[in-house]
Amino acid sequence: EVQLVESGGGLVQPGGSLRLSCAASGFIFNTYWMHWVRQAPGKGLVWVSRINSDGSSTTYADSVKGRFTISRDNAKNTLYLQMNSLRAEDTAVYYCARGGRSAVAGHFDYWGQGTLVTVSS
Amino acid sequence: QSALTQPASVSGSPGQSITISCTGTSSDVAIYNLVSWYQQHPGKAPKLMIYEVNKWPSGLSNRFSGSKSGNTASLTISGLQAEDEANYYCSSYAGSSTPVVFGGGTKLTVL
Repeated sequence: EVQLVESGGGLVQPGGSLRLSCAASGFIFNTYWMHWVRQAPGKGLVWVSRINSDGSSTTYADSVKGRFTISRDNAKNTLYLQMNSLRAEDTAVYYCARGGRSAVAGHFDYWGQGTLVTVSS
Repeated sequence: QSALTQPASVSGSPGQSITISCTGTSSDVAIYNLVSWYQQHPGKAPKLMIYEVNKWPSGLSNRFSGSKSGNTASLTISGLQAEDEANYYCSSYAGSSTPVVFGGGTKLTVL
């Protein structure tokens, strides 16, 4: 059974940092692109970032470029999102999601349960 | 403002069919057959319902169907059931720089 379990969310002050983790199991982790998607309270889904299967290629939404860093440890079957210079507008539930085996794939077939990040003083 | 445009809400009675539209642009929906639909119940993670315009993930109900014409994709739910009441989001591949764009979501109410 495919499982994605996020952790690391919490309350952080504006300008602070947080690292999210997503532990994957039930599939061959190092063959899939992985993504982070966020959802602000009461709002819709927004794509944040993606990383290819071996970690050599990353892409970011303009809103987080230069502040967030996606990475993965295939030996630990874990996806990460390092978030720096956090702003109030980064407050959201952050989901990790499994993409496809290629860069050109538009869907996420498995999602984690999400972890809430609150940026507030 | 979301990249893809969906109606804010739709409603239908049990047993009826409803359709949710998703309008994109010539940079996403119109040129890629990579439209997906997700169902999200309150407090839960999104669930993939349709991918690549009209394909079902294994084990999913075929009461859900997808289609596309030009820059507009559609999700049709037939034989509405109470458990279908949820928010529905469309998404599309949109190129290498911004690979995925979502719609703003549609709240489905089963009357």
